[in-house]
Amino acid sequence: GENVEQHPSTLSVQEGDSAVIKCTYSDSASNYFPWYKQELGKGPQLIIDIRSNVGEKKDQRIAVTLNKTAKHFSLHITETQPEDSAVYFCAAPNRDDKIIFGKGTRLHILP
Amino acid sequence: NAGVTQTPKFQVLKTGQSMTLQCAQDMNHNSMYWYRQDPGMGLRLIYYSASEGTTDKGEVPNGYNVSRLNKREFSLRLESAAPSQTSVYFCASSEQGSRGTQYFGPGTRLLVL
Repeated sequence: GENVEQHPSTLSVQEGDSAVIKCTYSDSASNYFPWYKQELGKGPQLIIDIRSNVGEKKDQRIAVTLNKTAKHFSLHITETQPEDSAVYFCAAPNRDDKIIFGKGTRLHILP
Repeated sequence: NAGVTQTPKFQVLKTGQSMTLQCAQDMNHNSMYWYRQDPGMGLRLIYYSASEGTTDKGEVPNGYNVSRLNKREFSLRLESAAPSQTSVYFCASSEQGSRGTQYFGPGTRLLVL
């Protein structure tokens, strides 16, 4: 069945360095790729998304890239700060119009 | 706007007890969702409602029922709770279904003993 795989499951980076989280999807009909951030004790919140008609989108320190041929999309966070510590989820819709989430990446920003 | 609200925040049940988790949104969204979140498993869709009056099964519907009471409210019912249903439950709503931003509630933490 349709699947979204996310790597790594845990990532630790020094404050100020960059972090990259990668996802692959299986349903070629997927055309919308959001990224959510979940802070401790809260619900996930959208931080950036990309649609299949573009290859890259940037919002300040956050960027998302999409390779539709390879069915890959990635989240890039530059100049990481302590408040970036959280769990991040990628997602993609399948042809049945159900959204499938990756299993999440726990990002630790080290002082 | 309150966004998506959920009640209760916490609940402890004994095996076999029943309960209903409530969810409401004030954004006039057509689509509403129920997810469960377990360690290492990410978010898994239990049921969703594409519009008022319709509901569909998600990835893990067994042991649950839902009611789309009106456009604002979407409830999740556990008829006979089991320890395997210990989880954090999130409700979400969206204007564009699976191809638009999902707005999540704060979650309900459920412990089934």
